[in-house]
Amino acid sequence: DADVTQTPRNRITKTGKRIMLECSQTKGHDRMYWYRQDPGLGLQLIYYSFDVKDINKGEISDGYSVSRQAQAKFSLSLESAIPNQTALYFCATSDSWGGYEQFFGPGTRLTVL
Amino acid sequence: ILNVEQSPQSLHVQEGDSTNFTCSFPSSNFYALHWYRWETAKSPEALFVMTLNGDEKKKGRISATLNTKEGYSYLYIKGSQPEDSATYLCAFLMRFGAGTRLTVKP
Repeated sequence: DADVTQTPRNRITKTGKRIMLECSQTKGHDRMYWYRQDPGLGLQLIYYSFDVKDINKGEISDGYSVSRQAQAKFSLSLESAIPNQTALYFCATSDSWGGYEQFFGPGTRLTVL
Repeated sequence: ILNVEQSPQSLHVQEGDSTNFTCSFPSSNFYALHWYRWETAKSPEALFVMTLNGDEKKKGRISATLNTKEGYSYLYIKGSQPEDSATYLCAFLMRFGAGTRLTVKP
């Protein structure tokens, strides 16, 4: 079984709709992250959480919100989706010690029409 | 602004060629630099975590070096194989470079 899972894997939605992307992990890591990937731009950090009570904005948080429901769960919401939020979204986790290498989920491909 | 730059953007080599690419990052407040390998239709996977100036890490035909004083890291692939084709990302403090896309032709 995958250590970091994301649901849904693909989603098509319309402008103005609210959508939630979910991430779960079985690695026991404290730290969780949400990134979006656009062609040619690499991974951009949306939000990160170092533990259940710690939520921080990343580079591109506008238009997004998150919820850390438990150590193992970190959800990303688009309150009112817009077409330029069409992207590939990755959740990642890392431990809170050592080198902090990140372990990525399989990604969610989101299309906003 | 925390900029992580990678070059070149893309690279096409023949099977058996050796190649290298660069990651540059701010040299102040260094903690760790990460290299990831990202194959098409998959998720990025960690290759190396580099923490000390002068670090050299190796995994098979792939190796990496680190210079924290001048703010760069090199990734080397010796004798490239088609299965090395991927995008190679470096990351510094949760900031990722845009990656180097490597294509190895048989």
